[in-house]
Amino acid sequence: ELKVEQNPLFLSMQEGKNYTIYCNYSTTSDRLYWYRQDPGKSLESLFVLLSNGAVKQEGRLMASLDTKARLSTLHITAAVHDLSATYFCASPGVGGGADGLTFGKGTHLIIQP
Amino acid sequence: DAGITQSPRHKVTETGTPVTLRCHQTENHRYMYWYRQDPGHGLRLIHYSYGVKDTDKGEVSDGYSVSRSKTEDFLLTLESATSSQTSVYFCAISGTGGRGIQYFGAGTRLSVL
Repeated sequence: ELKVEQNPLFLSMQEGKNYTIYCNYSTTSDRLYWYRQDPGKSLESLFVLLSNGAVKQEGRLMASLDTKARLSTLHITAAVHDLSATYFCASPGVGGGADGLTFGKGTHLIIQP
Repeated sequence: DAGITQSPRHKVTETGTPVTLRCHQTENHRYMYWYRQDPGHGLRLIHYSYGVKDTDKGEVSDGYSVSRSKTEDFLLTLESATSSQTSVYFCAISGTGGRGIQYFGAGTRLSVL
């Protein structure tokens, strides 16, 4: 059974600081997804990481994937309030995603002035 | 929301009542998914479909059934609603043989009293 673990589950940080969210998954997979969810809203795709060593950046967010360690990270640089949200990682497992994604429990991020 | 419409958006029902949620897509994607989101659990897969009349169970399928008679519609039925099925339900779609990004609908908030 595929397990996806995120940590921390809750993070309160100040604007301007850097931090990293970690996502570990238990079964070999060739890709990893990151989503963002604002309160009461749907999930928005942030990144899809398709290979070992993949790195993607969008603004103050940078995601990376190490398939050998079964680890993905989401790094936040110089945080701003607008990045406050819940962030989910999701793995497709060996099925590649056709049979669904397994999500972590999410990291609830609050960025304070 | 990538051409995905969920209906209803909110519903309150009583224990023992059958409930049907609808997901409609305009993207002509083959793969469709139903997830539920509960605090502390992230998103969990209920059922998925890989084509018209082709469906399969996910992690938390007990008490739920699905049907897909047309490419654009994927229905989720709670045969006899229970309070444990109070949740937010999300539909997702995926192209690229199911290995692409999953795009999510706006969600249906269901309360079973």
